Amino acid sequence: EIVLTQSPATLSVSPGERATLSCRASQSVSSNLAWYQQKLGQAPRLLISGASTRATGIPARFSGTGSGTEFTLTISSLQSEDFAVYYCQQYDYWPPYTFGQGTKLQIK
Amino acid sequence: QVQLQESGPGVVKPSETLSLTCTVSGGSINSFSYYWGWIRQPPGKGLEWIGDIYYNGGTSYNPSLKSRVTISVDTSKNHFSLQLTSVTAADTAVYYCARRSSAVDYNWFDPWGQGTLVSVSS
Repeated sequence: EIVLTQSPATLSVSPGERATLSCRASQSVSSNLAWYQQKLGQAPRLLISGASTRATGIPARFSGTGSGTEFTLTISSLQSEDFAVYYCQQYDYWPPYTFGQGTKLQIK
Repeated sequence: QVQLQESGPGVVKPSETLSLTCTVSGGSINSFSYYWGWIRQPPGKGLEWIGDIYYNGGTSYNPSLKSRVTISVDTSKNHFSLQLTSVTAADTAVYYCARRSSAVDYNWFDPWGQGTLVSVSS
């Protein structure tokens, strides 16, 4: 099973600033990594697939980079609606598909 | 666009079987392009993939749950179902249904249902 480790667990950032979230895989997953946003009481929403491709309707301030074992989600200028929990998911080696434990992005 | 909606009991007794259904609207479940699956999230915790099913009944399960899980599909009703046997308090979670592509290297989950909370309690 591939383990995904997200860091930090909690990130405090001011609106308008940049946020950088990390996801590390226990073995290479190539570019087969997705990022999701989950707001309180809601289902996760796909942000990024293939490590760097924004999903339909996702603003350009969200960007994903990385391949192999190291991945980054960057939000270039935080808006109030961006404060949420973010999860990465690998789909390179399965079963099972696995998720990271999440990074909570909160207002500083 | 495709929408998914979970339904089922909100409370299940310990040792009994949890049963949920996911109804698909806005598209057909009878498609070779997608798998239909279940993901759960215990309160305050992360996401765990349970398993999924193809329109022809082919399944894939998380090895950690495989002995207790059955996923089935009813294409005539455009829905699929989850059964989890011998539940304990550790199975208390929000259960989501979600769709993923059947194409290799396209296996992210999108869209998701809104989720349904199932509590295991006597």
